[in-house]
Amino acid sequence: GQQLNQSPQSMFIQEGEDVSMNCTSSSIFNTWLWYKQDPGEGPVLLIALYKAGELTSNGRLTAQFGITRKDSFLNISASIPSDVGIYFCAGLNSGGSNYKLTFGKGTLLTVNP
Amino acid sequence: DTEVTQTPKHLVMGMTNKKSLKCEQHMGHRAMYWYKQKAKKPPELMFVYSYEKLSINESVPSRFSPECPNSSLLNLHLHALQPEDSALYLCASSQMGAVGPKNIQYFGAGTRLSVL
Repeated sequence: GQQLNQSPQSMFIQEGEDVSMNCTSSSIFNTWLWYKQDPGEGPVLLIALYKAGELTSNGRLTAQFGITRKDSFLNISASIPSDVGIYFCAGLNSGGSNYKLTFGKGTLLTVNP
Repeated sequence: DTEVTQTPKHLVMGMTNKKSLKCEQHMGHRAMYWYKQKAKKPPELMFVYSYEKLSINESVPSRFSPECPNSSLLNLHLHALQPEDSALYLCASSQMGAVGPKNIQYFGAGTRLSVL
């Protein structure tokens, strides 16, 4: 089945630093999603990407859908303490009755004030 | 509004109990999902309902029984659970479409379940 390799597994950074994380897949997706999950809460959608090569920003977040449709990255600029959490990438190929998200294993981000 | 509401927030139950988890959305989404999530792991899909009919069951044990009474509600009935079933149970919903924003899944805050 499809698998996503998400890296890094964890990051410890100082407030104000930039962060980059990425996901790669052995097969293509037609949608890439990035979610953030705080402890005890559900995943919250950060950015959605629909087209190969697409670069999308949401405030301090920037994400790109790889040209090959097999990868995506998420950048966070000027990190702040509330950026702490687990970030998941997810790929989706929808159509028919298949709406299954394939998740990466997550990147645990710790920001030191 | 992208809100998916789950109740209860926390649940503790014994292995002989019967309980239910509830999920509600008013976004007009016609696909609803149950996920199970262990600590620091990604969510694992359990069930998918589309147009109130079960379309995907990821080989989930029968002690978990989903129900979709109408297009806004999704229940998960629990019976004779095991301690290893303790986890965060997440509900999600989405529209249905071939490609694009319609298929984005929005998650609830989850129910933290502890089985004693």
